[in-house]
Amino acid sequence: DSGVTQTPKHLITATGQRVTLRCSPRSGDLSVYWYQQSLDQGLQFLIHYYNGEERAKGNILERFSAQQFPDLHSELNLSSLELGDSALYFCASSVASGWSYEQYFGPGTRLTVT
Amino acid sequence: TQLLEQSPQFLSIQEGENLTVYCNSSSVFSSLQWYRQEPGEGPVLLVTVVTGGEVKKLKRLTFQFGDARKDSSLHITAAQPGDTGLYLCAGANRGTYKYIFGTGTRLKVLA
Repeated sequence: DSGVTQTPKHLITATGQRVTLRCSPRSGDLSVYWYQQSLDQGLQFLIHYYNGEERAKGNILERFSAQQFPDLHSELNLSSLELGDSALYFCASSVASGWSYEQYFGPGTRLTVT
Repeated sequence: TQLLEQSPQFLSIQEGENLTVYCNSSSVFSSLQWYRQEPGEGPVLLVTVVTGGEVKKLKRLTFQFGDARKDSSLHITAAQPGDTGLYLCAGANRGTYKYIFGTGTRLKVLA
């Protein structure tokens, strides 16, 4: 158990819909990272927040957005969903901002778009 | 597009054999990590290498960062079934601050 929690574990929705994925970091961690893992694209970095502020952006689509709240939990919002958005979405946390800090990954949310 | 190419893509070996997984790029990385991921779970960090030429050992696993910080290798000695999983390298590109994962090596160790 990494200490990072993600909800829901599974999500099935239809094309065109909007969903929100939630992540609670490990106690004491200020950084949150979001990743997407699919069979054809592998593991892709989406976005990184540190103490409520966006720090780095990866391959995140404009239809996707994220935020980190004052209590440090984070939400990833996916809108106008397409079949290709079906994937595992992971959240990770670390104590500080910077790629050399160890990231602890949550169990993931499996999103299926039908 | 920056890529971290891993080889081999798939590897199936017998318990007790040695193996090496490679992670190569044309870009320079300020640091590089190796993760192992099991089905249905998130990746777990194994090691971070920062200095060119650095070698780190974790029990039967030996990690090396290339002198030019463009490549890395993971060597497993006397593989065990518990080593089975997806091995991923990942790195932060100097300058762009983007984090990139490798294409992955799926290892299966047969008892």
